[in-house]
Amino acid sequence: KAGVTQTPRYLIKTRGQQVTLSCSPISGHRSVSWYQQTPGQGLQFLFEYFSETQRNKGNFPGRFSGRQFSNSRSEMNVSTLELGDSALYLCASSLDDGPSIQYFGAGTRLSVL
Amino acid sequence: KNQVEQSPQSLIILEGKNCTLQCNYTVSPFSNLRWYKQDTGRGPVSLTIMTFSENTKSNGRYTATLDADTKQSSLHITASQLSDSASYICVVSAAGAGSYQLTFGKGTKLSVIP
Repeated sequence: KAGVTQTPRYLIKTRGQQVTLSCSPISGHRSVSWYQQTPGQGLQFLFEYFSETQRNKGNFPGRFSGRQFSNSRSEMNVSTLELGDSALYLCASSLDDGPSIQYFGAGTRLSVL
Repeated sequence: KNQVEQSPQSLIILEGKNCTLQCNYTVSPFSNLRWYKQDTGRGPVSLTIMTFSENTKSNGRYTATLDADTKQSSLHITASQLSDSASYICVVSAAGAGSYQLTFGKGTKLSVIP
């Protein structure tokens, strides 16, 4: 069974640009969550989608948005990139929402110059 | 303010020894507590999830405990192996009306040396 796949693995952008990251969950999983990880702040929760609906959202500005498609694949978009957006963006999938085991992808490392 | 504090920040132990990592939280209302292991350059891997009514959960050589009264959790690693070298992250979920919020600890970096 394939794991959680995130693309691309690495990305370099400049300030002001926008970026879209993709996440394919494990087959059969309906919940997808996104996280940002930086050395200074550690892991932070961005949002969770379940059956194409955003179920939870962390404390991030509106420049961060996401969506989930009918096949459970999810995308995350960051507009008007800032230097501080440089981070590892992790996606995790689980069978359903709530306290179930999450399986993480390897992440997309975004560098904003 | 919801907070999760982990200690120690880093730890070095000899292969074969046991160790215990701590997690103290001030998250309310408590829903569940998770421990993750994250190898360098990789995504986290879920080790355990505990709800309010559970006070111990094991996953192989990893045993997590939860004291909901004192708001403390520990992760005990038995007979450590070199592959246990990783960061261990404690995450506490607060339940809300139809939603939940996650609060993450900064992690404990464990190094197991031969």
